Amino acid sequence: KNEVEQSPQNLTAQEGEFITINCSYSVGISALHWLQQHPGGGIVSLFMLSSGKKKHGRLIATINIQEKHSSLHITASHPRDSAVYICAVTGNQFYFGTGTSLTVIP
Amino acid sequence: NAGVMQNPRHLVRRRGQEARLRCSPMKGHSHVYWYRQLPEEGLKFMVYLQKENIIDESGMPKERFSAEFPKEGPSILRIQQVVRGDSAAYFCASSPHRTAPWWGYTFGSGTRLTVV
Repeated sequence: KNEVEQSPQNLTAQEGEFITINCSYSVGISALHWLQQHPGGGIVSLFMLSSGKKKHGRLIATINIQEKHSSLHITASHPRDSAVYICAVTGNQFYFGTGTSLTVIP
Repeated sequence: NAGVMQNPRHLVRRRGQEARLRCSPMKGHSHVYWYRQLPEEGLKFMVYLQKENIIDESGMPKERFSAEFPKEGPSILRIQQVVRGDSAAYFCASSPHRTAPWWGYTFGSGTRLTVV
């Protein structure tokens, strides 16, 4: 079993829809990260969380430390949001989820 | 994330050859991390380096793989005697600090290694 589990693996949405990607982890962590990997392969760090909630533009990330769960929300989704979203945690070492592939259709 | 430069973007090697992957961190970043992304799998941590020091290599295969981050120049991930299973995307990231503030944690665009 992976230390970090993401769901869903694949997600297709219509432009404008509200999107939620979930991440559960089983190890003790100091921080949780959400990363975005574009079709060209480049990776961008979106958020680092250790508690609560963070917002950046149309992106919102939340974490529940007790439940070992985080969610990434995208409001008013747009085709340019199409990418793979990766949840990663740092504890004693780095662990990554396998990613959620999001496609937003115009 | 253009600040972390990886080259080459694509690398093709025959089985048994050596592969050298380079990573130049963002200016001011002294911490470098290498990750491997195998086809259909997630990112896996390989090694964490500071200038002239390997801090954590717990994710590195025991044989054929080595990494360095010299005082001058880029960090190098070296794979000797490559095999088909080494085909993957190799990502480098850099940060100014080991831990927070993590907004300084920046990825390169990766090197896609294909072993034929």
